[in-house]
Amino acid sequence: DAGVIQSPRHEVTEMGQEVTLRCKPISGHDYLFWYRQTMMRGLELLIYFNNNVPIDDSGMPEDRFSAKMPNASFSTLKIQPSEPRDSAVYFCASSLVRGGGYTFGSGTRLTVV
Amino acid sequence: TQLLEQSPQFLSIQEGENLTVYCNSSSVFSSLQWYRQEPGEGPVLLVTVVTGGEVKKLKRLTFQFGDARKDSSLHITAAQPGDTGLYLCAGADAGGTSYGKLTFGQGTILTVHP
Repeated sequence: DAGVIQSPRHEVTEMGQEVTLRCKPISGHDYLFWYRQTMMRGLELLIYFNNNVPIDDSGMPEDRFSAKMPNASFSTLKIQPSEPRDSAVYFCASSLVRGGGYTFGSGTRLTVV
Repeated sequence: TQLLEQSPQFLSIQEGENLTVYCNSSSVFSSLQWYRQEPGEGPVLLVTVVTGGEVKKLKRLTFQFGDARKDSSLHITAAQPGDTGLYLCAGADAGGTSYGKLTFGQGTILTVHP
């Protein structure tokens, strides 16, 4: 298995632009998570899905953030409009079972200037 | 939201030394996981401990889950430069609608000098 695949690896965009991050989970994993990592706040859970359905989005910072999972093999995290404070590394992870170990992707380093 | 406190935040040691990283909370977890993260990559799962008092060994790494399932420790024997990285503990919520959701500690940055 190729693991969790995220794209792009790096994204530099101007403030106000729309940013879309993509994730392909491990086949057969029913849980998908989006995390954001910064030096100040560490790893923060943004949202997670179970069988393509959003279960908990309480970590989404504000309405500028949205996430979708149209099918079991693809998810997106969108920021519109982006702001400099959104600069961080965004990770996608998937898990086979609830409470089980996570497999993380390599992350997308987002820089908003 | 359950909080996990890791200590120390930073650890800089010489090759061959032993070290222990601690992960503490006032909350009970259904399980606790340890991850290691290298620069530019995502965290990689090292181990999951489930039972209070459980001890797991992975080569030179020893993981322990507290009896009350509120805390954990990671002990590395004879550290090597390849052990350098960010070590994260993560607790899985024990009940309610948040059951199974992971909360991560802030991490311990370990540097092992040759």
